[in-house]
Amino acid sequence: AQTVTQSQPEMSVQEAETVTLSCTYDTSESNYYLFWYKQPPSRQMILVIRQEAYKQQNATENRFSVNFQKAAKSFSLKISDSQLGDTAMYFCAFMRDQGAQKLVFGQGTRLTINP
Amino acid sequence: NAGVTQTPKFRVLKTGQSMTLLCAQDMNHEYMYWYRQDPGMGLRLIHYSVGEGTTAKGEVPDGYNVSRLKKQNFLLGLESAAPSQTSVYFCASSYPRTGWFSYEQYFGPGTRLTVT
Repeated sequence: AQTVTQSQPEMSVQEAETVTLSCTYDTSESNYYLFWYKQPPSRQMILVIRQEAYKQQNATENRFSVNFQKAAKSFSLKISDSQLGDTAMYFCAFMRDQGAQKLVFGQGTRLTINP
Repeated sequence: NAGVTQTPKFRVLKTGQSMTLLCAQDMNHEYMYWYRQDPGMGLRLIHYSVGEGTTAKGEVPDGYNVSRLKKQNFLLGLESAAPSQTSVYFCASSYPRTGWFSYEQYFGPGTRLTVT
Protein backbone atom coordinates (compact mmCIF):
# COMPACT_ATOMS: atom_id res chain seq x y z
CA ALA A 1 0.00 0.00 0.00
CA GLN A 2 1.09 3.52 -0.67
CA THR A 3 1.92 5.86 2.20
CA VAL A 4 2.44 9.62 2.29
CA THR A 5 4.39 11.37 5.03
CA GLN A 6 4.49 15.04 5.88
CA SER A 7 7.07 15.48 8.61
CA GLN A 8 6.33 19.13 9.44
CA PRO A 9 3.13 19.38 11.52
CA GLU A 10 3.37 23.18 11.72
CA MET A 11 5.28 25.97 10.04
CA SER A 12 5.24 29.71 10.42
CA VAL A 13 6.82 32.42 8.23
CA GLN A 14 6.57 36.14 7.69
CA GLU A 15 4.56 37.60 4.86
CA ALA A 16 6.50 37.86 1.56
CA GLU A 17 8.96 35.12 2.58
CA THR A 18 9.41 31.88 0.70
CA VAL A 19 8.44 28.65 2.44
CA THR A 20 8.89 25.00 1.48
CA LEU A 21 6.65 22.20 2.71
CA SER A 22 8.02 18.66 2.62
CA CYS A 23 6.34 15.46 1.50
CA THR A 24 7.69 11.96 0.98
CA TYR A 25 5.82 8.93 -0.27
CA ASP A 26 6.31 5.25 -0.65
CA THR A 27 5.23 3.27 -3.70
CA SER A 28 6.49 0.49 -5.91
CA GLU A 29 4.72 1.83 -8.97
CA SER A 30 6.46 3.68 -11.77
CA ASN A 31 3.66 5.96 -12.84
CA TYR A 32 1.37 7.91 -10.53
CA TYR A 33 0.13 11.38 -9.70
CA LEU A 34 0.93 13.71 -6.83
CA PHE A 35 -1.08 16.62 -5.51
CA TRP A 36 -0.97 19.44 -3.01
CA TYR A 37 -4.29 20.50 -1.51
CA LYS A 38 -4.92 23.59 0.58
CA GLN A 39 -7.52 23.67 3.34
CA PRO A 40 -8.14 27.19 4.70
CA PRO A 41 -10.15 27.79 7.89
CA SER A 42 -13.31 27.56 5.78
CA ARG A 43 -12.55 23.79 5.60
CA GLN A 44 -12.92 23.71 1.80
CA MET A 45 -10.35 21.48 0.05
CA ILE A 46 -8.69 23.36 -2.80
CA LEU A 47 -6.31 21.83 -5.33
CA VAL A 48 -3.10 23.86 -5.44
CA ILE A 49 -0.92 21.93 -7.88
CA ARG A 50 -0.50 18.50 -9.44
CA GLN A 51 2.43 16.53 -10.87
CA GLU A 52 2.41 13.53 -13.18
CA ALA A 53 5.26 11.17 -12.30
CA TYR A 54 6.13 10.54 -15.96
CA LYS A 55 6.86 14.24 -16.44
CA GLN A 56 10.36 15.29 -15.47
CA GLN A 57 9.55 18.99 -15.46
CA ASN A 58 8.41 20.35 -12.12
CA ALA A 59 4.90 21.79 -12.08
CA THR A 60 4.34 25.48 -11.36
CA GLU A 61 1.20 27.51 -10.72
CA ASN A 62 1.91 31.20 -10.22
CA ARG A 63 3.59 31.50 -6.78
CA PHE A 64 3.40 27.75 -6.16
CA SER A 65 5.95 25.29 -7.49
CA VAL A 66 7.04 21.78 -6.66
CA ASN A 67 10.37 19.99 -6.43
CA PHE A 68 9.65 16.46 -7.59
CA GLN A 69 12.45 14.00 -6.95
CA LYS A 70 11.21 10.65 -8.24
CA ALA A 71 14.18 8.56 -7.17
CA ALA A 72 14.05 9.98 -3.67
CA LYS A 73 10.23 9.78 -3.62
CA SER A 74 10.04 13.37 -2.52
CA PHE A 75 7.50 16.01 -3.52
CA SER A 76 7.95 19.37 -1.81
CA LEU A 77 5.84 22.50 -2.29
CA LYS A 78 7.44 25.93 -2.51
CA ILE A 79 5.35 29.04 -1.92
CA SER A 80 7.04 32.23 -3.05
CA ASP A 81 6.15 35.73 -1.86
CA SER A 82 3.82 34.24 0.76
CA GLN A 83 0.58 36.06 1.49
CA LEU A 84 -1.74 36.13 4.50
CA GLY A 85 -4.29 34.23 2.44
CA ASP A 86 -1.88 31.30 2.19
CA THR A 87 -2.52 30.52 5.85
CA ALA A 88 -4.06 27.05 5.79
CA MET A 89 -3.53 23.33 6.25
CA TYR A 90 -1.67 21.82 3.31
CA PHE A 91 -2.04 18.18 2.36
CA CYS A 92 0.14 16.16 0.05
CA ALA A 93 -1.69 13.34 -1.75
CA PHE A 94 -0.85 10.36 -3.97
CA MET A 95 -2.94 8.73 -6.69
CA ARG A 96 -2.17 5.51 -8.54
CA ASP A 97 -2.19 5.52 -12.32
CA GLN A 98 -4.67 2.65 -12.37
CA GLY A 99 -7.91 1.89 -10.60
CA ALA A 100 -10.49 4.16 -9.06
CA GLN A 101 -8.31 7.25 -8.65
CA LYS A 102 -8.35 7.04 -4.86
CA LEU A 103 -6.30 9.63 -3.03
CA VAL A 104 -3.91 8.76 -0.20
CA PHE A 105 -3.22 11.80 1.95
CA GLY A 106 -0.40 12.83 4.22
CA GLN A 107 -1.04 14.03 7.75
CA GLY A 108 -0.97 17.70 6.76
CA THR A 109 1.14 20.75 7.57
CA ARG A 110 -0.44 23.75 9.25
CA LEU A 111 1.10 26.86 7.67
CA THR A 112 0.73 30.28 9.26
CA ILE A 113 1.74 33.44 7.43
CA ASN A 114 2.42 36.27 9.87
CA PRO A 115 2.01 39.96 8.94
CA ASN B 1 -23.30 24.91 -10.97
CA ALA B 2 -23.36 24.08 -7.27
CA GLY B 3 -20.47 21.60 -7.61
CA VAL B 4 -20.42 19.13 -4.72
CA THR B 5 -22.85 19.73 -1.88
CA GLN B 6 -23.18 17.92 1.44
CA THR B 7 -26.13 17.71 3.81
CA PRO B 8 -26.09 18.40 6.73
CA LYS B 9 -23.15 20.67 7.55
CA PHE B 10 -23.19 19.87 11.27
CA ARG B 11 -24.75 17.10 13.35
CA VAL B 12 -24.60 15.86 16.91
CA LEU B 13 -25.59 12.25 17.59
CA LYS B 14 -25.86 10.15 20.68
CA THR B 15 -24.07 6.81 20.78
CA GLY B 16 -26.18 4.17 19.05
CA GLN B 17 -28.18 6.57 16.90
CA SER B 18 -28.19 6.30 13.13
CA MET B 19 -27.96 8.89 10.41
CA THR B 20 -27.33 9.37 6.70
CA LEU B 21 -25.07 11.95 5.10
CA LEU B 22 -26.04 13.01 1.61
CA CYS B 23 -23.59 14.03 -1.09
CA ALA B 24 -24.79 15.46 -4.38
CA GLN B 25 -22.84 16.58 -7.45
CA ASP B 26 -24.08 18.29 -10.60
CA MET B 27 -20.96 17.80 -12.75
CA ASN B 28 -21.96 14.40 -14.17
CA HIS B 29 -18.96 12.77 -12.51
CA GLU B 30 -18.66 9.00 -12.61
CA TYR B 31 -16.55 8.57 -9.51
CA MET B 32 -17.52 9.57 -5.98
CA TYR B 33 -15.75 9.19 -2.63
CA TRP B 34 -16.29 9.56 1.10
CA TYR B 35 -13.34 10.56 3.29
CA ARG B 36 -13.05 11.31 6.98
CA GLN B 37 -10.62 13.84 8.42
CA ASP B 38 -9.19 13.47 11.89
CA PRO B 39 -6.52 15.65 13.54
CA GLY B 40 -3.01 14.53 12.71
CA MET B 41 -4.20 11.87 10.27
CA GLY B 42 -5.12 13.73 7.12
CA LEU B 43 -8.06 12.43 5.10
CA ARG B 44 -8.76 8.71 4.90
CA LEU B 45 -10.99 6.99 2.37
CA ILE B 46 -14.10 5.30 3.78
CA HIS B 47 -15.95 4.06 0.68
CA TYR B 48 -16.04 4.96 -2.98
CA SER B 49 -18.06 4.38 -6.13
CA VAL B 50 -17.00 4.18 -9.77
CA GLY B 51 -20.49 4.42 -11.14
CA GLU B 52 -24.21 4.28 -10.44
CA GLY B 53 -25.10 1.12 -8.55
CA THR B 54 -21.50 0.31 -7.57
CA THR B 55 -19.70 0.78 -4.26
CA ALA B 56 -16.42 -0.45 -2.78
CA LYS B 57 -14.58 -0.30 0.53
CA GLY B 58 -11.78 2.12 1.19
CA GLU B 59 -9.19 2.25 3.94
CA VAL B 60 -11.55 2.66 6.94
CA PRO B 61 -14.98 1.20 6.03
CA ASP B 62 -15.99 -0.38 9.35
CA GLY B 63 -19.16 1.07 10.86
CA TYR B 64 -20.28 2.73 7.61
CA ASN B 65 -22.45 1.77 4.67
CA VAL B 66 -22.96 3.56 1.37
CA SER B 67 -25.33 3.56 -1.57
CA ARG B 68 -25.24 5.08 -5.04
CA LEU B 69 -28.70 4.61 -6.49
CA LYS B 70 -28.41 7.70 -8.69
CA LYS B 71 -25.30 8.90 -10.49
CA GLN B 72 -25.42 12.32 -8.86
CA ASN B 73 -25.89 11.13 -5.26
CA PHE B 74 -23.70 9.18 -2.86
CA LEU B 75 -25.08 8.42 0.61
CA LEU B 76 -23.02 7.55 3.68
CA GLY B 77 -24.83 5.80 6.51
CA LEU B 78 -23.95 5.21 10.13
CA GLU B 79 -26.18 2.47 11.52
CA SER B 80 -25.08 2.72 15.17
CA ALA B 81 -22.91 5.76 15.82
CA ALA B 82 -19.89 5.48 18.12
CA PRO B 83 -17.72 8.24 19.63
CA SER B 84 -14.85 7.03 17.42
CA GLN B 85 -16.87 8.24 14.43
CA THR B 86 -16.63 11.84 15.60
CA SER B 87 -14.93 13.46 12.62
CA VAL B 88 -15.28 15.77 9.66
CA TYR B 89 -16.63 13.94 6.62
CA PHE B 90 -15.85 14.99 3.06
CA CYS B 91 -17.44 13.87 -0.15
CA ALA B 92 -15.58 14.21 -3.45
CA SER B 93 -16.23 13.41 -7.10
CA SER B 94 -14.28 13.18 -10.34
CA TYR B 95 -14.25 12.09 -13.96
CA PRO B 96 -12.35 8.95 -14.94
CA ARG B 97 -8.81 9.77 -15.98
CA THR B 98 -9.29 8.13 -19.36
CA GLY B 99 -11.94 10.66 -20.30
CA TRP B 100 -11.55 14.02 -21.95
CA PHE B 101 -11.96 15.94 -18.73
CA SER B 102 -9.69 16.63 -15.79
CA TYR B 103 -9.50 13.81 -13.25
CA GLU B 104 -9.19 16.26 -10.38
CA GLN B 105 -11.28 15.39 -7.34
CA TYR B 106 -13.75 18.11 -6.39
CA PHE B 107 -14.61 18.25 -2.70
CA GLY B 108 -17.76 19.22 -0.86
CA PRO B 109 -17.68 21.62 2.11
CA GLY B 110 -17.62 18.86 4.71
CA THR B 111 -19.91 17.69 7.52
CA ARG B 112 -18.80 17.98 11.12
CA LEU B 113 -20.23 15.05 13.09
CA THR B 114 -19.98 14.73 16.85
CA VAL B 115 -21.03 11.52 18.60
CA THR B 116 -21.51 11.85 22.36
